[in-house]
Amino acid sequence: KNQVEQSPQSLIILEGKNCTLQCNYTVSPFSNLRWYKQDTGRGPVSLTIMTFSENTKSNGRYTATLDADTKQSSLHITASQLSDSASYICVVSDRGSTLGRLYFGRGTQLTVWP
Amino acid sequence: EADIYQTPRYLVIGTGKKITLECSQTMGHDKMYWYQQDPGMELHLIHYSYGVNSTEKGDLSSESTVSRIRTEHFPLTLESARPSHTSQYLCASSQGTSQETQYFGPGTRLLVL
Repeated sequence: KNQVEQSPQSLIILEGKNCTLQCNYTVSPFSNLRWYKQDTGRGPVSLTIMTFSENTKSNGRYTATLDADTKQSSLHITASQLSDSASYICVVSDRGSTLGRLYFGRGTQLTVWP
Repeated sequence: EADIYQTPRYLVIGTGKKITLECSQTMGHDKMYWYQQDPGMELHLIHYSYGVNSTEKGDLSSESTVSRIRTEHFPLTLESARPSHTSQYLCASSQGTSQETQYFGPGTRLLVL
């Protein structure tokens, strides 16, 4: 069964600190992996996208890594800001259909305290 | 921010009422999607469309229906709302292949009493 598991479920950090969120997946065949940020009451917004051949991708203070062999990804947030408080969702796409089926994790709820 | 809009943003309605959730995008995307998301849970695909007059059911069984008469418009309708329909409904669109990012609307939070 294709699944996407994220950890931790929730995380509280102080402003200015770094943190790393984890994503493990069993989706096969693999096409790409995305990290989305979802603010409370809003729709998800794409942060990064990585294909099989990419190991790391940065977007400002966000850096995503991908190990396609172990089927693991991480999202590292540097020098956190209050505006980083949100749910971070890992989304994996397969190559098994024209639709490019998306598999969503449940997200990690990050809270940044001043 | 993506040019995809949803109305209403919040809706409280009684059981048995018919409701339509609106979704429009101005990006000219062919593909559009409806997802259902409960608090702390993953998004579940309930409907999708490849283009005008094309609609398909998603992975999660839903009593809702959709239509795609115009490229930019993808409304979702519940003929008779029930408390079990209480959830957040997210509309998204994308263009081209499965590599293309899906752009999400702000969502509609539905509460059925």
